[in-house]
Amino acid sequence: QKEVEQDPGPLSVPEGAIVSLNCTYSNSAFQYFMWYRQYSRKGPELLMYTYSSGNKEDGRFTAQVDKSSKYISLFIRDSQPSDSATYLCAMSAWQAGTALIFGKGTTLSVSS
Amino acid sequence: NAGVTQTPKFQVLKTGQSMTLQCAQDMNHNSMYWYRQDPGMGLRLIYYSASEGTTDKGEVPNGYNVSRLNKREFSLRLESAAPSQTSVYFCASSEVGAIGQGRDGYTFGSGTRLTVV
Repeated sequence: QKEVEQDPGPLSVPEGAIVSLNCTYSNSAFQYFMWYRQYSRKGPELLMYTYSSGNKEDGRFTAQVDKSSKYISLFIRDSQPSDSATYLCAMSAWQAGTALIFGKGTTLSVSS
Repeated sequence: NAGVTQTPKFQVLKTGQSMTLQCAQDMNHNSMYWYRQDPGMGLRLIYYSASEGTTDKGEVPNGYNVSRLNKREFSLRLESAAPSQTSVYFCASSEVGAIGQGRDGYTFGSGTRLTVV
């Protein structure tokens, strides 16, 4: 079992829809959870950062972490065509010298 | 603009050729990383350098070598390229090796698209 599992999609929604993206993980030591957005032929860019469990909101984006279920989510409200991209979850344990582990990414397409 | 610069952006190699992918960051970050991205496989860590003077293997290090030349630069070398190394290579940097302190996460370069024929 890979440490981080993410459904690759693709996911297609109409403009204005609420989008839910999810990842599961197996390593209970993970405490830092991130979501990256990657546009076609570009490098990933950090979208949301969450430490431990709980919710974090930033504009139309909400990140949720449920450590008891080893499950994280990213919600996008009022989705826009500009949200069309690949979304990658990433996570890490609290340990000096460790690197982020990424999910495979979910490709999202928002149609106008 | 501040960030991570990768060169070259595109490269075609013949099997058995060697090449070095260059990466430089101007954010004074301590840690640097090399990932490869393949369809259906996501981002996989090749090597990383938690701080100047140290390097460690990631998930897929075979066929690659790295050099942390100084705090700014981290190069990836393919000694004898194989078709299985056809991929998009991303370099990234972060403030510290322990990601928990690096709330800005990783800053990625724009990638090098490598084809080995």
